Amino acid sequence: QQQVKQSPQSLIVQKGGISIINCAYENTAFDYFPWYQQFPGKGPALLIAIRPDVSEKKEGRFTISFNKSAKQFSLHIMDSQPGDSATYFCAASFGNQFYFGTGTSLTVIP
Amino acid sequence: DARVTQTPRHKVTEMGQEVTMRCQPILGHNTVFWYRQTMMQGLELLAYFRNRAPLDDSGMPKDRFSAEMPDATLATLKIQPSEPRDSAVYFCASGSPRTAANTGELFFGEGSRLTVL
Repeated sequence: QQQVKQSPQSLIVQKGGISIINCAYENTAFDYFPWYQQFPGKGPALLIAIRPDVSEKKEGRFTISFNKSAKQFSLHIMDSQPGDSATYFCAASFGNQFYFGTGTSLTVIP
Repeated sequence: DARVTQTPRHKVTEMGQEVTMRCQPILGHNTVFWYRQTMMQGLELLAYFRNRAPLDDSGMPKDRFSAEMPDATLATLKIQPSEPRDSAVYFCASGSPRTAANTGELFFGEGSRLTVL
């Protein structure tokens, strides 16, 4: 059973556009929601994270929007760049347990 | 530069052979995870250790997979016998103790790409 559902599976965006990746969860015990970025041949690395007591977190061009009542959260990449082309994983955590979405392959076209 | 180290980076083996993957977690981290990454399933949790004790290995096929932490600096994932469907990238990740101030972020190694022919 997938604890975290992620969509879309793949995404193609023009340079300068906005990339949006969505995730949903069921378990209300989750208290930490990170996003990981993975480049080919590398391991995932933390990109940005949010706790459920805030509705939005912004770091540079990356923003997490969090809707606690809907149990959904999303990653927005503003002014997308070719260097952002990677696989993005959302995750949900409680304690030391982490549950990952299935990943979104983002391609930013120059 | 603290990082999770995994060996081997690449392994090609024949069906039926034993495969052992090794992981050196970041010093001071008390949690270690093994994940398997495939195109279809994304990141699947195989095993999870805290303070070297196995806490969850429900995602691991017990008949052929085993995971251990012989000491705090080494985690191993063994497949015996290996099958073609085990072909995937296996990631080890480690994390520090979760506190009110510390989210216990996971740090991943670069993975071991396994191909079973």
